[in-house]
Amino acid sequence: DQQVKQNSPSLSVQEGRISILNCDYTNSMFDYFLWYKKYPAEGPTFLISISSIKDKNEDGRFTVFLNKSAKHLSLHIVPSQPGDSAVYFCAASARETSGSRLTFGEGTQLTVNP
Amino acid sequence: NAGVMQNPRHLVRRRGQEARLRCSPMKGHSHVYWYRQLPEEGLKFMVYLQKENIIDESGMPKERFSAEFPKEGPSILRIQQVVRGDSAAYFCASSHPNRGAYNEQFFGPGTRLTVL
Repeated sequence: DQQVKQNSPSLSVQEGRISILNCDYTNSMFDYFLWYKKYPAEGPTFLISISSIKDKNEDGRFTVFLNKSAKHLSLHIVPSQPGDSAVYFCAASARETSGSRLTFGEGTQLTVNP
Repeated sequence: NAGVMQNPRHLVRRRGQEARLRCSPMKGHSHVYWYRQLPEEGLKFMVYLQKENIIDESGMPKERFSAEFPKEGPSILRIQQVVRGDSAAYFCASSHPNRGAYNEQFFGPGTRLTVL
């Protein structure tokens, strides 16, 4: 039962353009969402998060959008840089029912071409 | 300010041996989580601990796996009688106890377990 899905295993964009990574979820109890970036042989690095009471959160080049009715969130990176090339994981938690544990998607490999 | 520390980074065991994975959380963090990543998959939650307490172990396999977070020292994930299917990357994460509703989890570099 995959409650968090990232349907695109890979994405390739040109440097300077926008990268849009998508994530869908099925559990309506999820109320907190996070994006992590992961390089090979390293642990995930926290990027940005959003609570279900918001529909947008912005931090520098990174913006996360949440559409609760569609159970969909996306991460926008603009402008994209070659150093952004990594696997991006979407994660969610349902604090009222499941406490702090995070449920992860399968990840999207982003490649930013110079 | 050191991040989450895990050791060893790589661990090779033969079938039937025991594996012990250690995790030291970030300074000031008293909540520890363990996740497992199998090849070509996302991270899967295993267990959530606070000092001397297991809070949620719903993701732990019923047999051979155990975890602890003693009053002093690192958190330990222990796998007894390892099998080839236990080969994976095991990640530890920690979070601050007083962040209220928003508890970003910060991850260590992982331990890559290979079972021969």
